[in-house]
Amino acid sequence: DVKVTQSSRYLVKRTGEKVFLECVQDMDHENMFWYRQDPGLGLRLIYFSYDVKMKEKGDIPEGYSVSREKKERFSLILESASTNQTSMYLCASSDRVGEKLFFGSGTQLSVL
Amino acid sequence: DAKTTQPPSMDCAEGRAANLPCNHSTISGNEYVYWYRQIHSQGPQYIIHGLKNNETNEMASLIITEDRKSSTLILPHATLRDTAVYYCIVIYTGGFKTIFGAGTRLFVKA
Repeated sequence: DVKVTQSSRYLVKRTGEKVFLECVQDMDHENMFWYRQDPGLGLRLIYFSYDVKMKEKGDIPEGYSVSREKKERFSLILESASTNQTSMYLCASSDRVGEKLFFGSGTQLSVL
Repeated sequence: DAKTTQPPSMDCAEGRAANLPCNHSTISGNEYVYWYRQIHSQGPQYIIHGLKNNETNEMASLIITEDRKSSTLILPHATLRDTAVYYCIVIYTGGFKTIFGAGTRLFVKA
């Protein structure tokens, strides 16, 4: 089975800090995604990547950046964390475009 | 990507079949119907998908109407562990943006 691993299950950061969320997949998938999930708003796509060093904005990219230097790793970066970025962050990967997504367990980020 | 409409919540007795409906009346010919579920505090998990034929796997069955405007996910013998939020999504094979709606919260009761 595909394994998508997120580096932290829970994270607490202070306003203004730079935050790195790491995601690693072990099945050589081309595509990787970052979503955030908030009560009442469902899952919203932040960024996705379809190849190494390639990235595309999702629906809510403001305040975030991403890095994909290696195929298996996709990082989400909060340059200056704010309280409204407190959320559950979910990483996913897929083999081909439009095919099923495999999700990690999520990182619950709290920004104080 | 086509939008979907699902009931916000449903109940099901343990051991009975759970039938979860989804409306996707604006689906286009190259869009697939996917179902995922999310158990509390975990990432969504893929269940099944289909284009126009009915599909079955070890987890569930997917029934798609002939006009493809709606579908039903069937969990044949629901257990307490099937309590989760179930998402119905349509996506075309060239699409990156898998859009998750609010889903249906299924409560399986003993």
